[in-house]
Amino acid sequence: DQQVKQNSPSLSVQEGRISILNCDYTNSMFDYFLWYKKYPAEGPTFLISISSIKDKNEDGRFTVFLNKSAKHLSLHIVPSQPGDSAVYFCAASSGGSNYKLTFGKGTLLTVNP
Amino acid sequence: ETGVTQTPRHLVMGMTNKKSLKCEQHLGHNAMYWYKQSAKKPLELMFVYSLEERVENNSVPSRFSPECPNSSHLFLHLHTLQPEDSALYLCASSLTVPNEKLFFGSGTQLSVL
Repeated sequence: DQQVKQNSPSLSVQEGRISILNCDYTNSMFDYFLWYKKYPAEGPTFLISISSIKDKNEDGRFTVFLNKSAKHLSLHIVPSQPGDSAVYFCAASSGGSNYKLTFGKGTLLTVNP
Repeated sequence: ETGVTQTPRHLVMGMTNKKSLKCEQHLGHNAMYWYKQSAKKPLELMFVYSLEERVENNSVPSRFSPECPNSSHLFLHLHTLQPEDSALYLCASSLTVPNEKLFFGSGTQLSVL
C-alpha cells in the first residue's frame, strides 16, 4: 500500500503562473517531508523540506504547505519558469533512527514559455 | 570532480551474467545508499551504509550484493538477475545517518534480458 501518493502524474502550466503540486500521505507517524526535483538523465536533487511542527516553509520561489489534519502537503512554485520543468517527488520520513524515506511516484511538471 | 558519480550509465546484461555497479561520492559524506526505481513505481530503498557498515538491508534478494570498501565508494554486485530487476539504480549519499537530505547520482539504467 502506497503511503505517499502523488495522484497527478503530470501538470502543465504557463510561464509566470503558479504551479501547485500535491502530495497525500497515510502514515500518521511521518513528521518530516521533502520535495526532490529530477531532470531527465540526472539524479533527484533536494528542493525543500518541512517539519511537522510547521505548516509552511518558503525558499525563494518555492513554498511547501503542510496540512497535518488532512495529511496533505503541496509545493507552490511562483512564478513558474521553463527551467522548472522536471519530475517532482514528494517524500516523507518518521524521523528518529528511521533511515527510510518513503517516496511518491512523482509528478511531471511542464512549464510552457 | 564533485558530487556523486555512478558508472556505468547504462548496462544490458543476460540473466547468467555477473556485473557490478559503481558509485563514488566526493562530498565527504559518511553514509551511502542504493535505491531502485522501477517503471511507474516510487523509489525504493535497497541498502544503507554508514561509515562502511551496512545498517539497512531492505529485504533485498541475495542476487544483489552491496559492498562499501570505504566511505567514498559503494558497489552493487549483480548476479543471476531476473528481467523484472530491470530498473534505474540510484546511488545517494548523506552527511550522516539518519539524514533525509540525500545527494543522488545520475543512476545506472539496467536492462536484464
